[in-house]
Amino acid sequence: DSGVTQTPKHLITATGQRVTLRCSPRSGDLSVYWYQQSLDQGLQFLIQYYNGEERAKGNILERFSAQQFPDLHSELNLSSLELGDSALYFCASSSGREVNEQYFGPGTRLTVT
Amino acid sequence: GNSVTQMEGPVTLSEEAFLTINCTYTATGYPSLFWYVQYPGEGLQLLLKATKADDKGSNKGFEATYRKETTSFHLEKGSVQVSDSAVYFCALSVARGTNAGKSTFGDGTTLTVKP
Repeated sequence: DSGVTQTPKHLITATGQRVTLRCSPRSGDLSVYWYQQSLDQGLQFLIQYYNGEERAKGNILERFSAQQFPDLHSELNLSSLELGDSALYFCASSSGREVNEQYFGPGTRLTVT
Repeated sequence: GNSVTQMEGPVTLSEEAFLTINCTYTATGYPSLFWYVQYPGEGLQLLLKATKADDKGSNKGFEATYRKETTSFHLEKGSVQVSDSAVYFCALSVARGTNAGKSTFGDGTTLTVKP
């Protein structure tokens, strides 16, 4: 158990809809990262937050947004969903501002039908 | 930009065989290098890391040495077990510059160990 929790575990929704994925980092970790894992594109870094502020952006679509709240939990919002958004979404956390070892949650499997 | 290239899989070995999974990288600056492992149905777990040239990371019998001259971080294990069957990811991160904070992962290499 990494100490990172993600909810929900599974999500099935229709195209055009909007969903919110939630992540709670390990106790004491200030950085949260979001990743998308799909069969055809591997593991893609989406975005990093450090202590409530966006720190780094990767291949995140404009239809996606994220935030980190004062209690350090984070949410990833996916809107206008397309079939191609079906993937595993992982959250990870680390202790500091700089990227060091990351602790991954179990992931949310999103299926868009 | 930064990139990580991993040996293509899948890799199938017999128990007690020697394992090497190649990983090379390109990065600006001085990256930290990582190997993560993903068991079926689970998230990634850090296996080992190295933060500067010539560092050797090791854990659970796995080793990898940060080779700056060849920009490589190959994963090795002397004797694999069935329980090592998983997907292995090589990754890097940089602390400074325009790519600071971004992690770059390889495509993953699936290892299957047969009894």
